[in-house]
Amino acid sequence: DTGVSQDPRHKITKRGQNVTFRCDPISEHNRLYWYRQTLGQGPEFLTYFQNEAQLEKSRLLSDRFSAERPKGSFSTLEIQRTEQGDSAMYLCASSSGGLAGITDTQYFGPGTRLTVL
Amino acid sequence: DAKTTQPPSMDCAEGRAANLPCNHSTISGNEYVYWYRQIHSQGPQYIIHGLKNNETNEMASLIITEDRKSSTLILPHATLRDTAVYYCIVRNFLSGGGADGLTFGKGTHLIIQP
Repeated sequence: DTGVSQDPRHKITKRGQNVTFRCDPISEHNRLYWYRQTLGQGPEFLTYFQNEAQLEKSRLLSDRFSAERPKGSFSTLEIQRTEQGDSAMYLCASSSGGLAGITDTQYFGPGTRLTVL
Repeated sequence: DAKTTQPPSMDCAEGRAANLPCNHSTISGNEYVYWYRQIHSQGPQYIIHGLKNNETNEMASLIITEDRKSSTLILPHATLRDTAVYYCIVRNFLSGGGADGLTFGKGTHLIIQP
């Protein structure tokens, strides 16, 4: 199966530490998205890449969060100085992209569950 | 993107058809209806999408009313593995080419009873 993969699947860290997550999109998908999901809520959009360019950021993405997609393939999401409120599932999705007016389905990975102690 | 309304939870007996409603009364002509589901502790799984016509694939059928203000996702023969949260999302692909995040609500928690 060549779906979206994420690593690690689980991460436990202490408050104040930095963490980094990786996402590998479906091969040849040029769009990549990051979402965050807290308990009992639906996923919330964080940021989006078209190839290596980060084109949109949600206001949820504070200064402590940074995402990269250096070669337009895999992406990393780093959280600096983690806080207990950062505990959540971090989801990555990818899509093949398309012209305006053409649907573009996002496919999600299994997520990385972060617990900040 | 237009807002959607779904019941918070539903039960269905195993082997029966599960019919999940979604209201999207403010939908515009350019907006598609998408359905995803999320099994506990997994990422959302794409199910189906449609614009005006009814759609069917190997997972489900999507029935969209003629005025497009509501839709129903049908799982024809529900199994215990279909227990999940089901999200109905309305998506405009003309604004920015659809190149932004999906807006998830709280969805419907479907519980399949043995």
